[in-house]
Amino acid sequence: GAGVSQSPSNKVTEKGKDVELRCDPISGHTALYWYRQSLGQGLEFLIYFQGNSAPDKSGLPSDRFSAERTGGSVSTLTIQRTQQEDSAVYLCASSLGVGQGTRDNEQFFGPGTRLTVL
Amino acid sequence: KQEVTQIPAALSVPEGENLVLNCSFTDSAIYNLQWFRQDPGKGLTSLLLIQSSQREQTSGRLNASLDKSSGRSTLYIAASQPGDSATYLCAVKVYKLSFGAGTTVTVRA
Repeated sequence: GAGVSQSPSNKVTEKGKDVELRCDPISGHTALYWYRQSLGQGLEFLIYFQGNSAPDKSGLPSDRFSAERTGGSVSTLTIQRTQQEDSAVYLCASSLGVGQGTRDNEQFFGPGTRLTVL
Repeated sequence: KQEVTQIPAALSVPEGENLVLNCSFTDSAIYNLQWFRQDPGKGLTSLLLIQSSQREQTSGRLNASLDKSSGRSTLYIAASQPGDSATYLCAVKVYKLSFGAGTTVTVRA
């Protein structure tokens, strides 16, 4: 594929249910990022992967949130026991690398998953 | 913690006028700065990327400057068109991106 893809594009769930959001980065991109865009909150960083490891999980809002990446490619963001405040657009991005001073660190974003918790 | 501020929050101009969008950040130790465009209900489209060692980048009608020492960047859009109506986001990077709240631009035909 030409760009970052995310699925589903929309997800409506009931409070207390678990959800899984998927991200397929651009082929060959080693770095993958999850962000969240909430109404009135702007865009906030959640977690970042370099390969399959996550050097920075500092943005995950609670222990109900977890993410994994397998094979250095696809990533899944899981939210357990969803709450209404989890409603947001979840955006995934990838970059070729992370080094300073190189265009490899440019991030490309997917279209997002809009999560609504009723 | 990096704080990114964008001014103004909203801007409405007649078609043909030049646009000036401002971004400021508190920590100058950045890898790069990216300007994005976001249309309603859509993801982010990267417009310009300025590495920390660069002073400006240009693409068509868009020009972005970076003054890392003062923590400022400005996005100029020349001869605005109604299709330029969108929210413009500034983000600074040290492996992860820290975003400003955005400037919502309306170009009136």
